[in-house]
Amino acid sequence: AQSVTQLGSHVSVSEGALVLLRCNYSSSVPPYLFWYVQYPNQGLQLLLKYTTGATLVKGINGFEAEFKKSETSFHLTKPSAHMSDAAEYFCAVSMNSGGSNYKLTFGKGTLLTVNP
Amino acid sequence: DAGITQSPRHKVTETGTPVTLRCHQTENHRYMYWYRQDPGHGLRLIHYSYGVKDTDKGEVSDGYSVSRSKTEDFLLTLESATSSQTSVYFCAIRGQGVYYGYTFGSGTRLTVV
Repeated sequence: AQSVTQLGSHVSVSEGALVLLRCNYSSSVPPYLFWYVQYPNQGLQLLLKYTTGATLVKGINGFEAEFKKSETSFHLTKPSAHMSDAAEYFCAVSMNSGGSNYKLTFGKGTLLTVNP
Repeated sequence: DAGITQSPRHKVTETGTPVTLRCHQTENHRYMYWYRQDPGHGLRLIHYSYGVKDTDKGEVSDGYSVSRSKTEDFLLTLESATSSQTSVYFCAIRGQGVYYGYTFGSGTRLTVV
């Protein structure tokens, strides 16, 4: 079984401030981890993903995330927020196993507001 | 996204009527998934398919059925639509193999009145 918990349904930051969106997961086998962004009335866009190898993953738009197995976490960060980062962000996990049929489980999302 | 299309994009239907949503892919991917998105719940898996005629239930499958008679099409049917099925529905595809990612469709906004 697998699950995702996103801490904070709403995060508000000032423009130029650090963005930190928290994600904790549970998985019975090594996980694949993802962050998606969704702008209003749009579909999902992949920000970054972790499969294997380097635990610090860099994505688009200056975002990065670090896989910490000991903490079962995959927090998303960006050093300096831009107004254009305002959106909803989803963390997701799938099991590193074909037997799981690679089902993707999502967290409930974090709405990021960027204040001028 | 390229390679996956959902139809219709918007639909309003009446309570009690059957509704079918279509997901079409041109990638020849093995895995296909239907999700629904509701405020405060994220995306929840309804049904998925791991091959032609091979489907299984997700976490919120009650009131829904699916069919996959060919690789490229995955149909989601609401047998008798209810207001609780008002939602945005997303289809996703994934190839077989450890390094494939997921591609999501643009979504179908369904309103049941």
